[in-house]
Amino acid sequence: KNEVEQSPQNLTAQEGEFITINCSYSVGISALHWLQQHPGGGIVSLFMLSSGKKKHGRLIATINIQEKHSSLHITASHPRDSAVYICALKGLIVGNEKLTFGTGTRLTIIP
Amino acid sequence: ETGVTQSPTHLIKTRGQQVTLRCSSQSGHNTVSWYQQALGQGPQFIFQYYREEENGRGNFPPRFSGLQFPNYSSELNVNALELDDSALYLCASSDGQGGETQYFGPGTRLLVL
Repeated sequence: KNEVEQSPQNLTAQEGEFITINCSYSVGISALHWLQQHPGGGIVSLFMLSSGKKKHGRLIATINIQEKHSSLHITASHPRDSAVYICALKGLIVGNEKLTFGTGTRLTIIP
Repeated sequence: ETGVTQSPTHLIKTRGQQVTLRCSSQSGHNTVSWYQQALGQGPQFIFQYYREEENGRGNFPPRFSGLQFPNYSSELNVNALELDDSALYLCASSDGQGGETQYFGPGTRLLVL
């Protein structure tokens, strides 16, 4: 079983829809990252969470440590949000920056 | 812009050859991690360097090796290339102090023929 699993694998939605991407994990973590990867490969860090909720513009990320689950929400989705969204786990060892990645959710927003 | 650069952007090699990929981290970031991302997969951790010493390694054979230099640059070397080494190679830098963010470079896309 993978340490981190994302759902759905692929998501297609109309512009303006509310989007939810889920991430479940099975190990102890010190933090969870949400990352965005556009075609061509570049990865951008969206959030790093260790508890609660963070918001940046139309993006909201939540984490429930007890349930080992995190969600990324996009409000008023736009075609430029089309990308692969990846959650990645940061382990418990202080000073170890290794991230364990999910396989990503490919989001396509149709105008 | 993350301030992390990688070179080259694309590279084609043949099986059995050796390759060196380069990463220039943000100034002050003394931790660099390298990841391999096969097509359609999430990145896989190769290894991490902290202050020029290897500080953690994933499930990759010894023909994957690295160096980190005092000027915040680093290298990933792969010997005896295999077809399965074809992937996007990403480096990510951080301050190694439990800081908020890892900063990713744009990646080097390697194709082994």
